[in-house]
Amino acid sequence: DVKVTQSSRYLVKRTGEKVFLECVQDMDHENMFWYRQDPGLGLRLIYFSYDVKMKEKGDIPEGYSVSREKKERFSLILESASTNQTSMYLCASSSVVPSGGQAGANVLTFGAGSRLTVL
Amino acid sequence: AQSVTQLGSHVSVSEGALVLLRCNYSSSVPPYLFWYVQYPNQGLQLLLKYTSAATLVKGINGFEAEFKKSETSFHLTKPSAHMSDAAEYFCAVIPWSSASKIIFGSGTRLSIRP
Repeated sequence: DVKVTQSSRYLVKRTGEKVFLECVQDMDHENMFWYRQDPGLGLRLIYFSYDVKMKEKGDIPEGYSVSREKKERFSLILESASTNQTSMYLCASSSVVPSGGQAGANVLTFGAGSRLTVL
Repeated sequence: AQSVTQLGSHVSVSEGALVLLRCNYSSSVPPYLFWYVQYPNQGLQLLLKYTSAATLVKGINGFEAEFKKSETSFHLTKPSAHMSDAAEYFCAVIPWSSASKIIFGSGTRLSIRP
């Protein structure tokens, strides 16, 4: 069964701490994504990666960085956590580059989410 | 900029009643459209997708959606609601102009009354 696993379901951190959110997929997908989910705002893309060591900014990259050293693993890093980064973080992967120009529309497979609270 | 608008952040229906969740997109060219569902304490999963093959798309759990270009809409329906349908539903679009971004709506929470 296809799986995207996020290492931590719940985290509580203090302001200024460095936070690592880990995501692993076992589907050999090229593409991986980090979204942030907040009530009333839907999902907002933070960063995505189309290949190992490759990353691109999404809509809200400020305050975040990412790392993709291996194809199956995509990490989200909060260098210095702040209270406004309290949120649900969702990792996703896909096998086709999301593009309207391709015949096959891309489908995202999501992890269960990591709920981060920054005090 | 490409966007999707979900009308109604919360919809409540009785068990057995029709479910209608609204989604409108902004685009001059038909994009790829999706509905995802998120059950409590879970990630999102695909409900159905439109890829221009057919305007009426059938998904899992009895849901379907109809693409209407003239109305720029992709509303989600189910003839008879079940208690297990209680969840949050997201409309999403992959615009032709973007090679990278899937744009999600703000979500609609569906409640089912016994």
